[in-house]
Amino acid sequence: KNEVEQSPQNLTAQEGEFITINCSYSVGISALHWLQQHPGGGIVSLFMLSSGKKKHGRLIATINIQEKHSSLHITASHPRDSAVYICAVLLIQGAQKLVFGQGTRLTINP
Amino acid sequence: NAGVMQNPRHLVRRRGQEARLRCSPMKGHSHVYWYRQLPEEGLKFMVYLQKENIIDESGMPKERFSAEFPKEGPSILRIQQVVRGDSAAYFCASSPFGANVLTFGAGSRLTVL
Repeated sequence: KNEVEQSPQNLTAQEGEFITINCSYSVGISALHWLQQHPGGGIVSLFMLSSGKKKHGRLIATINIQEKHSSLHITASHPRDSAVYICAVLLIQGAQKLVFGQGTRLTINP
Repeated sequence: NAGVMQNPRHLVRRRGQEARLRCSPMKGHSHVYWYRQLPEEGLKFMVYLQKENIIDESGMPKERFSAEFPKEGPSILRIQQVVRGDSAAYFCASSPFGANVLTFGAGSRLTVL
């Protein structure tokens, strides 16, 4: 079993829909990242969380440390949101090593 | 203020050749991380370096792979005697003080023929 599991693996939705991507992890972490990877492959860091909730524009990320679970939400989704969204955790032991989920491929149709 | 610069963006090598991938971190960033993304797989940590020091290389294959981050110049990921299984995207990220804050490069895509 992977230390970081994302669901769903693939998600297709219509423009305007509310999107939720989930991330569960089984190890002790000091922080969790949500990353976005567009076709063509560049990676952008969206959020870094250690507790609570963060919001940036139409994106919201939450984390529940006790339940070892994080969610990424996209409100009013748009075709330009189509990308792979990756959850990555920073291990509490071994300080600087990120462990990545497999990614969720999101497609927003117009 | 340029971001993390990786070059080359695309590199083609024949089996047995050497591949050198370069990463120039953001200005003021002294921490560099290399990650590999094999086709249809997730990202995997390879190595963490600070200037002139390898801090954690636990994700590096034991043979043929090496990394450095000299006092001057970019970080280099070197793959000797490449094999087809080395074909992947190699991403570099940098940080001013640790992996809580990371800026990623655009990646270098290595194809081994």
